Amino acid sequence: KQEVTQIPAALSVPEGENLVLNCSFTDSAIYNLQWFRQDPGKGLTSLLLIQSSQREQTSGRLNASLDKSSGRSTLYIAASQPGDSATYLCAVLTGANNLFFGTGTRLTVIP
Amino acid sequence: GAGVSQSPSNKVTEKGKDVELRCDPISGHTALYWYRQRLGQGLEFLIYFQGNSAPDKSGLPSDRFSAERTGESVSTLTIQRTQQEDSAVYLCASSSNPLGSYNEQFFGPGTRLTVL
Repeated sequence: KQEVTQIPAALSVPEGENLVLNCSFTDSAIYNLQWFRQDPGKGLTSLLLIQSSQREQTSGRLNASLDKSSGRSTLYIAASQPGDSATYLCAVLTGANNLFFGTGTRLTVIP
Repeated sequence: GAGVSQSPSNKVTEKGKDVELRCDPISGHTALYWYRQRLGQGLEFLIYFQGNSAPDKSGLPSDRFSAERTGESVSTLTIQRTQQEDSAVYLCASSSNPLGSYNEQFFGPGTRLTVL
C-alpha cells in the first residue's frame, strides 16, 4: 500500500524566509502528485498538481518538484508571508479513486 | 465560479442518532469523492462516484455508513447510529477528469461532525 510521509511535521519561520517542505512516497507508480493547503474550517485548497511525466510546476511564489523514481517531492515557498501559515498536504494519485495523503506540515510564518 | 460546497459546516449529535451530510460538487464534474479526517490524522478515502457507474465503496468503515449521488450532482453521506469514533471532519471533493494524470480534485470546506 502506498505510504506518504511529510517532513517536518511542523515548521516555524520568520517572515521573508524561503522554505522547503518535503514529501516522500513509497510506490513510484503514480499518476500525479498534488500539493494542498488546509486552513481551519476551510477545507483543502489545491495549490499545484504535477503530472507523473513532469518535473516541476510553479505558481507565483510556489514551486513544486517531483522526482518520481526516488519517490520525493518538494514544495518551495519563496519570501514567506504570515498569510502562508497553514497546514500543507501532499497527496499522490495511483488510480481514479486512490488519492493517498500525507499527514501534513503545519507552517507558521512569524511577522 | 462556484466551488464545492458542503452542509452543514458543523454538526453536533448524540451517540446513536443518524446524521446526513450534503455535498454539492462543481457543476459538470463527473467524479465525486468523500473523505474523512480524524483529529491529527490524514485523510481517509470513504467512497467514490463516477458518472452512472457503480460507486466504489471500499473505504466505508462499516455498514453504518452509506452514500448516494443523484446523477452528476448532489451527494449525501449518511451515518446511522453514530458512535463517538465517527467524530471527524468529512470532506467532499469533485473532479472533471478522474482518469489518469489530469485528475485534479477540488475540495469543499468540510463538515465537522461531533458525536457526544
